[in-house]
Amino acid sequence: KAGVTQTPRYLIKTRGQQVTLSCSPISGHRSVSWYQQTPGQGLQFLFEYFSETQRNKGNFPGRFSGRQFSNSRSEMNVSTLELGDSALYLCASSWTQSRTDTQYFGPGTRLTVL
Amino acid sequence: AQSVTQLDSHVSVSEGTPVLLRCNYSSSYSPSLFWYVQHPNKGLQLLLKYTSAATLVKGINGFEAEFKKSETSFHLTKPSAHMSDAAEYFCVVSDGGSQGNLIFGKGTKLSVKP
Repeated sequence: KAGVTQTPRYLIKTRGQQVTLSCSPISGHRSVSWYQQTPGQGLQFLFEYFSETQRNKGNFPGRFSGRQFSNSRSEMNVSTLELGDSALYLCASSWTQSRTDTQYFGPGTRLTVL
Repeated sequence: AQSVTQLDSHVSVSEGTPVLLRCNYSSSYSPSLFWYVQHPNKGLQLLLKYTSAATLVKGINGFEAEFKKSETSFHLTKPSAHMSDAAEYFCVVSDGGSQGNLIFGKGTKLSVKP
């Protein structure tokens, strides 16, 4: 079974631009979560989607948004990019949103903001 | 609120010697706890998880962890380190209630000397 895939793997943008990252979950998984990883802050939860609805959101500004499609694929969007948005963005999928479910992570998208 | 503290930011061992990575948690609920590993420029891979079944949890690649409620600990061990174990390890607690977003420790970087 294919794992979680994320596209693109690398992105370079400039301040003020916007970016869209894509995540395809493992087949059958309905929950998709997004995390930001930076050297300073570590891994932080962004948001979670289940059945096309945002179920939970981390402490990030409104510039960070996302959505989930009927096939469970998810996108996240960051508008008005700032230098501090440079990070590895990880997507994870699981069967359900239950806290006991294992989340399987993709390889990440490395975003560099210049 | 749930939280995890990884007591060592860096652990260095010699190949063939035991590995101990320490993690303490704080949780108002009966926690779900996980250990993930991240190799350089890779995504996160699940090593093992505890979800209120057996307190001694066996994972992949010879790793295991013991859930100790009285000590609020979930330390990761391996009897004999291998060079390929060099990576960053994250202790993770699942947020409470019905939501599944993960709260990560700061990570422990494991170095293995030949």
